[in-house]
Amino acid sequence: QVQLQESGPGLVKPSQSLSLTCSVSGGSLSSGHFYWSWIRQPPGKGLEWIGYIFYSGGTYYNPSLKSRLSISVDTSNNQFSLNLNSVTAADTAVYYCARCTGIASYDYWGQGALVSVSS
Amino acid sequence: QSVLTQPPSVSGAPGQRVTISCTGSSSNLGAGYDVHWYQQLPGTAPKLLIYGNNNRPSGVPDRFSGSKSGTSASLAITGLQAEDEADYFCQSHDSRLSGSVFGTGTKVIVL
Repeated sequence: QVQLQESGPGLVKPSQSLSLTCSVSGGSLSSGHFYWSWIRQPPGKGLEWIGYIFYSGGTYYNPSLKSRLSISVDTSNNQFSLNLNSVTAADTAVYYCARCTGIASYDYWGQGALVSVSS
Repeated sequence: QSVLTQPPSVSGAPGQRVTISCTGSSSNLGAGYDVHWYQQLPGTAPKLLIYGNNNRPSGVPDRFSGSKSGTSASLAITGLQAEDEADYFCQSHDSRLSGSVFGTGTKVIVL
């Protein structure tokens, strides 16, 4: 059974960077066939796709975040990471990591990590 | 920003049938991409409910079913139960984003 777990600071100051890591167990990032993804949900609102990465390092980013966003993969530790620069209060959200299948469905999700942007 | 449109809420009594619509555009559902549905209980991560338009993952009751036609899709819940009270989201791939697009979300209320 594949499991994903987000980790990182729960509070970030405005204009600083938000960094989260997703640790994957029960399956290898390098197995192919999947895109490893970040999705966020502001409090009381809907889901927003942030971006995803293939095990080889290829990335796809949401155009609305692309200028501030970087997603990387560490296959040796079976982890992938999110870095979002120049954050504002609008970036306050629960951040989920998830596995995206070949037909673009998300079959496994982490429990989510609440990140608040506040001074 | 590409988005899939859903009604904010639907309601029904226990045992009834409810449906949730999901309307997209020519860059996502209309382009032939599959639609997927998720159930999100309060305080938890979304759970895959329907994939590939009308397929249920193992463990999902057959009370849940999906369909898609053109730029629209729908999720039906028959024999509504109290435990079905949750938020439901549709999702697809969007060619303009080169990534995923989610629906606006629908809260199912069991009366």
